[in-house]
Amino acid sequence: EAGVAQSPRYKIIEKRQSVAFWCNPISGHATLYWYQQILGQGPKLLIQFQNNGVVDDSQLPKDRFSAERLKGVDSTLKIQPAKLEDSAVYLCASSLDRMGLYEQYFGPGTRLTVT
Amino acid sequence: GQNIDQPTEMTATEGAIVQINCTYQTSGFNGLFWYQQHAGEAPTFLSYNVLDGLEEKGRFSSFLSRSKGYSYLLLKELQMKDSASYLCARAGGSYIPTFGRGTSLIVHP
Repeated sequence: EAGVAQSPRYKIIEKRQSVAFWCNPISGHATLYWYQQILGQGPKLLIQFQNNGVVDDSQLPKDRFSAERLKGVDSTLKIQPAKLEDSAVYLCASSLDRMGLYEQYFGPGTRLTVT
Repeated sequence: GQNIDQPTEMTATEGAIVQINCTYQTSGFNGLFWYQQHAGEAPTFLSYNVLDGLEEKGRFSSFLSRSKGYSYLLLKELQMKDSASYLCARAGGSYIPTFGRGTSLIVHP
């Protein structure tokens, strides 16, 4: 079974530029998560989708971050404009259903460096 | 808030036993997960507890006390490859997950 796919794996941009990340979850997984992980910290949930609806986006900086999951499968996370403090690994994860019942499977992540 | 507290770093000797503790807010609790994360890699699932007691899975066991807001991960017969960060994660209301900062475990010969 294929795992969670993410691209790109690495991205370097200058502050104020825009960037987009793509995630393809495991087939059949209803729940999709985007996390931001800063070096030395645990993953911080940015947004959680259940199919193509948003369950929680309370920690998503909506003035610069946006995410969508059209058709309830693939998802994209966008940052516009980027700030230096956005440098982090962005992890996508999926689960068969919500976390309380099923484990999350994580993709390899996208390492973003903002200069 | 939904603060999750776990030690920042622990060290142990190969072949020994180590216990990593985690405390969390009890309100709106829907389960406790442990994940392992090697440096530069994505987290991988270790265990899930929703009822009180000990769940054993090979060399790894996880314990939960819901009334105390307390969990621990027990690693037996430590191997060098167990050197990693161990993340405690709480499923809260609507099963929204919150991760702790992680405990960096260093296993030395």
